[in-house]
Amino acid sequence: SQQGEEDPQALSIQEGENATMNCSYKTSINNLQWYRQNSGRGLVHLILIRSNEREKHSGRLRVTLDTSKKSSSLLITASRAADTASYFCATDEIMDSSYKLIFGSGTRLLVRP
Amino acid sequence: NAGVMQNPRHLVRRRGQEARLRCSPVKGHSHVYWYRQLPEEGLKFMVYLQKENIIDESGMPKERFSAEFPKEGPSILRIQQVVRGDSAAYFCASSGVPITEAFFGQGTRLTVV
Repeated sequence: SQQGEEDPQALSIQEGENATMNCSYKTSINNLQWYRQNSGRGLVHLILIRSNEREKHSGRLRVTLDTSKKSSSLLITASRAADTASYFCATDEIMDSSYKLIFGSGTRLLVRP
Repeated sequence: NAGVMQNPRHLVRRRGQEARLRCSPVKGHSHVYWYRQLPEEGLKFMVYLQKENIIDESGMPKERFSAEFPKEGPSILRIQQVVRGDSAAYFCASSGVPITEAFFGQGTRLTVV
């Protein structure tokens, strides 16, 4: 089942601008994570926010979580060309004894120098 | 580097051959996940394994696909009698406890010709 859906699908900004990506999900979660993927590479974990948290910061990253709206946003401030990548949100699905991360389709971010 | 190691990075198989993809998790991690990614898409869950046990294979096709995570050695994703539609990037991830930060390998890009 597809849990997280990112919006927009693609985003192009100028270096120095802020980039905001949104993620919506359908069912209750314990935590939500954001990952980054450079072209042709594996995923790198960026940040995890728990369901009882509303906001979390890590360097130039700011993540918010609104469980009432089942949505999260990732803000990258003062973007750099090196931030160009795909960004995915992932939510946990816990069923019986199974735990798994369900990924959205991603936002492709292009930061123009 | 004690990260997740996948090999091979690239694999070319003719239709009807077998593909074996290997994943060595982070040392000490007992939870392994396999995902499949088509170009410009997100990651689709395939299977979740703990040592010697398949916990959830709900995302894996019933035919031709199998996975194992033996007591000793890497996790193996095996695709028998490959078809062109199996061409994709296959990613392995591991975690120390379920659904915390997952560490991803660089992926195996399978091309079926």
